[in-house]
Amino acid sequence: DAKTTQPTSMDCAEGRAANLPCNHSTISGNEYVYWYRQIHSQGPQYIIHGLKNNETNEMASLIITEDRKSSTLILPHATLRDTAVYYCIVRANFGNEKLTFGTGTRLTIIP
Amino acid sequence: GAGVSQSPSNKVTEKGKDVELRCDPISGHTALYWYRQRLGQGLEFLIYFQGNSAPDKSGLPSDRFSAERTGESVSTLTIQRTQQEDSAVYLCASSLSRGGETQYFGPGTRLLVL
Repeated sequence: DAKTTQPTSMDCAEGRAANLPCNHSTISGNEYVYWYRQIHSQGPQYIIHGLKNNETNEMASLIITEDRKSSTLILPHATLRDTAVYYCIVRANFGNEKLTFGTGTRLTIIP
Repeated sequence: GAGVSQSPSNKVTEKGKDVELRCDPISGHTALYWYRQRLGQGLEFLIYFQGNSAPDKSGLPSDRFSAERTGESVSTLTIQRTQQEDSAVYLCASSLSRGGETQYFGPGTRLLVL
């Protein structure tokens, strides 16, 4: 899997949009960008994934640059329950499907 | 519908004892994965099952670790002669197929070896 680079930590005010960046400059054409988060003492939770088009679901939006070398996860109205470690992962959707988690971004929502 | 479930949620054992951890995947999911997460660290892949194919055991750290899966249902991860460095959260995930579908995780089993 290609490597990703994320900031170690970020703060965001409650009610504001949280924008979490991820660099994946060596991503291959068949690799998707996945985002998971892990709230303290829980298993990782799937958030969203995409290939090259922007994606939106009930949890978040994913913006992928045209060259696919970076992406941004957007939580439109952050709440205290969004405090977690957010992982950006790139992986191909065939062959060995294991996920490789880096250290992620620790997002803290400030009341 | 029900998500991935794991049991026990917590396990404390003495060094040298064997432990067995259980994972119930989401119904209909043919792929099942085990990961390990040490305190403050990322996930380490352990083993992957897909249908009736031979499992991918490339992540198992030693021959003390083994896992089985009955068909496309329950899986058990067994650690023999536990060591203190085995202390970690053991996470199970399942996905629809080997087509790279999204993996959904269980809550994990927190293992502490004294």
